[in-house]
Amino acid sequence: GNSVTQMEGPVTLSEEAFLTINCTYTATGYPSLFWYVQYPGEGLQLLLKATKADDKGSNKGFEATYRKETTSFHLEKGSVQVSDSAVYFCALSAIYNFNKFYFGSGTKLNVKP
Amino acid sequence: EAQVTQNPRYLITVTGKKLTVTCSQNMNHEYMSWYRQDPGLGLRQIYYSMNVEVTDKGDVPEGYKVSRKEKRNFPLILESPSPNQTSLYFCASSYAKGTGELFFGEGSRLTVL
Repeated sequence: GNSVTQMEGPVTLSEEAFLTINCTYTATGYPSLFWYVQYPGEGLQLLLKATKADDKGSNKGFEATYRKETTSFHLEKGSVQVSDSAVYFCALSAIYNFNKFYFGSGTKLNVKP
Repeated sequence: EAQVTQNPRYLITVTGKKLTVTCSQNMNHEYMSWYRQDPGLGLRQIYYSMNVEVTDKGDVPEGYKVSRKEKRNFPLILESPSPNQTSLYFCASSYAKGTGELFFGEGSRLTVL
């Protein structure tokens, strides 16, 4: 079946630190992969996506590379800001049914000044 | 402004009292879906709809009903709520199959006593 596993949180960093949030997936075939972000009190927003192996998604300084060989899609940012504090969700959409999405459990990021 | 609107945002009810959570989008999206968010479990898909009068089950449909009589609206119905349906619910919509950019509402926090 399809599933997404992400690292447990919370992750607490100081401003300007390097961020990595690990995400691995299990899927049939080659799904599309996404990172969504949820700021406090809000719904989720798409942060970035990748639709095929070796694609790199990027947005707002965040990056993630679709690694087929390791079934991973780790989120990285070189220098986090306090405003990046949020919950981050890794997700996939199944290749046979793009309208079925599978989300990880979410990783809360706290960035301290 | 493009948005997905859910109501109510907060609701406390009792076991067995039917309730409806409404969802409306103003982006003319074909695809709409409902998720529940529970601690440690991330988001799980309840139902989705590809277009008017076309709905299908997600991963956790038990205890829920939906309807799609108009393109803009996708209400979630709990005929006989139970305490295990206490959760944070999100409605989402999308332009097209496979794009991955879901637009989320702000969420509806439901407590069933």
